Amino acid sequence: GQSLEQPSEVTAVEGAIVQINCTYQTSGFYGLSWYQQHDGGAPTFLSYNALDGLEETGRFSSFLSRSDSYGYLLLQELQMKDSASYFCAVSAEGGYNKLIFGAGTRLAVHP
Amino acid sequence: DSGVTQTPKHLITATGQRVTLRCSPRSGDLSVYWYQQSLDQGLQFLIQYYNGEERAKGNILERFSAQQFPDLHSELNLSSLELGDSALYFCASSVAGSEKLFFGSGTQLSVL
Repeated sequence: GQSLEQPSEVTAVEGAIVQINCTYQTSGFYGLSWYQQHDGGAPTFLSYNALDGLEETGRFSSFLSRSDSYGYLLLQELQMKDSASYFCAVSAEGGYNKLIFGAGTRLAVHP
Repeated sequence: DSGVTQTPKHLITATGQRVTLRCSPRSGDLSVYWYQQSLDQGLQFLIQYYNGEERAKGNILERFSAQQFPDLHSELNLSSLELGDSALYFCASSVAGSEKLFFGSGTQLSVL
């Protein structure tokens, strides 16, 4: 089976940088995804890493180390609107057919 | 707007009942996924269909079933409902071979 671990809560102030870590255990690993979910909303795709290294998309970056079964989401220049839950997810067991999500990290951004 | 449509948005029913949740994927997406999210919980994978065929199964209860129709819309059937089935049920779709899922706005199921 698969398991993912990420912190349950993170707090930061506007303008700061925050890193949300994710460690995973799975077989047949294909890649690590990140999704954002605001309260009452649907998850939205942020990024995907299939290879080791850093992927940058605007203020958000995502990193993967396959050898360490570890990844992180880096949010820079935090804004109040970034307050949300962030989920890491692994694609495993045959590819994209089964995207398994972590329990989520609730990020609170304060003024 | 993700392009994925779920109906109904809210559903209130009693224990022992049966309900059907409906999902229309984005135009052109052949894959449909169903997830369950309980209060303050992560997203639990239930089942995935690709072009009408079941492709992957998660921890879906035997009381739950799903199907994808020729027009690619999907339905999730929940029967013999229990209080613990109260949750937000999301449908998502993707193009073939893509890791990027587009989620609908969900169906909030309340079992009383």
